[in-house]
Amino acid sequence: GDSVTQMEGPVTLSEEAFLTINCTYTATGYPSLFWYVQYPGEGLQLLLKATKADDKGSNKGFEATYRKETTSFHLEKGSVQVSDSAVYFCALSDRAAGNKLTFGGGTRVLVKP
Amino acid sequence: KAGVTQTPRYLIKTRGQQVTLSCSPISGHRSVSWYQQTPGQGLQFLFEYFSETQRNKGNFPGRFSGRQFSNSRSEMNVSTLELGDSALYLCASSSEQGQGNEQFFGPGTRLTVL
Repeated sequence: GDSVTQMEGPVTLSEEAFLTINCTYTATGYPSLFWYVQYPGEGLQLLLKATKADDKGSNKGFEATYRKETTSFHLEKGSVQVSDSAVYFCALSDRAAGNKLTFGGGTRVLVKP
Repeated sequence: KAGVTQTPRYLIKTRGQQVTLSCSPISGHRSVSWYQQTPGQGLQFLFEYFSETQRNKGNFPGRFSGRQFSNSRSEMNVSTLELGDSALYLCASSSEQGQGNEQFFGPGTRLTVL
């Protein structure tokens, strides 16, 4: 079945540092890929998405590129802020499964001033 | 537009009881999905409803059930609660059904089973 693997945290960074969170996936078809973010005490918010190979999703300074050859969708941000402290989830949806999302385990990011 | 709302936000039950959680999607959204979030298992898909029909179901026992009403509001029910059912239950709504659609999540209902 479908699965998503992402690097375990926590990841601790200083403000203005570069952030990378690795995400790889296994899927039988051609999935859509997502990054969601969860702030303390809140539900998940969509950060960015890509629906086909070589698409780049971007939002709020975050970027991720759908790499079919390496089955990856790594999240990057060039200069993090304290407000980026949150848990980040990589997820996929498969054409055959409608809106069902398969999530990775989540990566907690802590940005220190 | 109001976001996805879930009630109640917090719930404490004892083993063996049953519980009903409610989710009101964004106005106009016809798809509602439910997820269970635990520290050990992460985020796991429970089921999805679209226009009152269950379209997809995850690998959960039959104690977990749901339904959707004609106004798209959804409820999920857990019977014979077990300690392991303690979790954050998240509801998500989407305007369409299909791959790649943005889903909007509610704040969740935190269920504690004692």
